[in-house]
Amino acid sequence: QSALTQPPSASGSPGQSVTISCTGTSSDVGGYNYVSWYQQHPGKAPKLMIYEVSKRPSGVPDRFSGSKSGNTASLTVSGLQAEDEADYYCSSYAGSNGFGGGTKLTVL
Amino acid sequence: QLQLQESGPGLVKPSETLSLTCTVSGGSISSSSYYWGWIRQPPGKGLEWIGSIYYSGSTYYNPSLKSRVTISVDTSKNQFSLKLSSVTAADTAVYYCARRPMVAPFDYWGQGTLVTVSS
Repeated sequence: QSALTQPPSASGSPGQSVTISCTGTSSDVGGYNYVSWYQQHPGKAPKLMIYEVSKRPSGVPDRFSGSKSGNTASLTVSGLQAEDEADYYCSSYAGSNGFGGGTKLTVL
Repeated sequence: QLQLQESGPGLVKPSETLSLTCTVSGGSISSSSYYWGWIRQPPGKGLEWIGSIYYSGSTYYNPSLKSRVTISVDTSKNQFSLKLSSVTAADTAVYYCARRPMVAPFDYWGQGTLVTVSS
């Protein structure tokens, strides 16, 4: 059982925006700004997309943004593109290194 | 460019010990700035952190696996290793090794290696 809760699926049409949530507790998501998001395409290793709630590593498009409110973090993908279709995982790296259960994003 | 590569048997019998090695190239495993970790992903399921190690040998394990896991480091070979004992079919997964900077998430990952537990 994952420590962080994500919806199993999300979808949107090309050009639209979609938001994926990640709910934890005050001991992880709510207590620290140490939330990250990974993108994983089938058969590939996860790729870091967001760290420290809202920061993007070099090379990640600014269509990807992160935020947090209370115990829930969110990943928003704006201007959806076909290549954004993938699984997305949140992670709290404030000690436990826990991951969310993952959300499959479908681009309709 | 930092690269990590997992290696080890792809098939392990039930009750035996799974052993994997991660070879790091393009950077030193002895850097004081990083932890080195193992993460696994059962087929069709999510990611699970197994444990991490610092170059000094300090280890941190997932409490749910702690009794069966040993992670070690060999700085002379720029490698770190995973041993998981008493495996069952539930341990069948793609195993990834990865680098984690201090107070930061895992940033560089290996390509992953599938380990199947079956007789």
